[in-house]
Amino acid sequence: NAGVTQTPKFRVLKTGQSMTLLCAQDMNHEYMYWYRQDPGMGLRLIHYSVGEGTTAKGEVPDGYNVSRLKKQNFLLGLESAAPSQTSVYFCASSNGAFTGELFFGEGSRLTVL
Amino acid sequence: KQEVTQIPAALSVPEGENLVLNCSFTDSAIYNLQWFRQDPGKGLTSLLLIQSSQREQTSGRLNASLDKSSGRSTLYIAASQPGDSATYLCAVRRGNQFYFGTGTSLTVIP
Repeated sequence: NAGVTQTPKFRVLKTGQSMTLLCAQDMNHEYMYWYRQDPGMGLRLIHYSVGEGTTAKGEVPDGYNVSRLKKQNFLLGLESAAPSQTSVYFCASSNGAFTGELFFGEGSRLTVL
Repeated sequence: KQEVTQIPAALSVPEGENLVLNCSFTDSAIYNLQWFRQDPGKGLTSLLLIQSSQREQTSGRLNASLDKSSGRSTLYIAASQPGDSATYLCAVRRGNQFYFGTGTSLTVIP
């Protein structure tokens, strides 16, 4: 019953460093999403994917890149981290039916100094 | 653009009380509505999923209703317990997009 797994769960970066967050789901879901959650801002969509090999921009895509080379994995990259990217990042997935349920990972807490 | 609102932002009740959390949305053309629970420092756990053709869903002490035409959903929690203390979020789905409210922080006082 793994569901949606995010790694790492915690990370501290210095400004300008790069890193990749990995999201893996074992439910054979078509759709995958990356959100960030900040106090008072709610959940904001960064990027999403509707299938293997596809990606699309969400509400706040600047400073992030994504890749979906395999159906089960969705990677979120920060090429040059900034303090404004300090946040909790959540990955979520859903099946391809528009009536499908959304499932979340446990989150990845990123601090950029 | 779909806007989802949850009022109140915070709620505090004594243990044993029945309570209602509210969720409203501006565009009634939704596919489904989902209620989540989020504990501090944790991810979002799905509580109930209501399809657009349904009026309500029940799970244990939880009952969620949906009135698409008025753009409203309620989450009813019966006989509240301290363990129910958490933030509750609602989300509506349209196509491959999900729109979230900012949540109601619930505290159940023993």
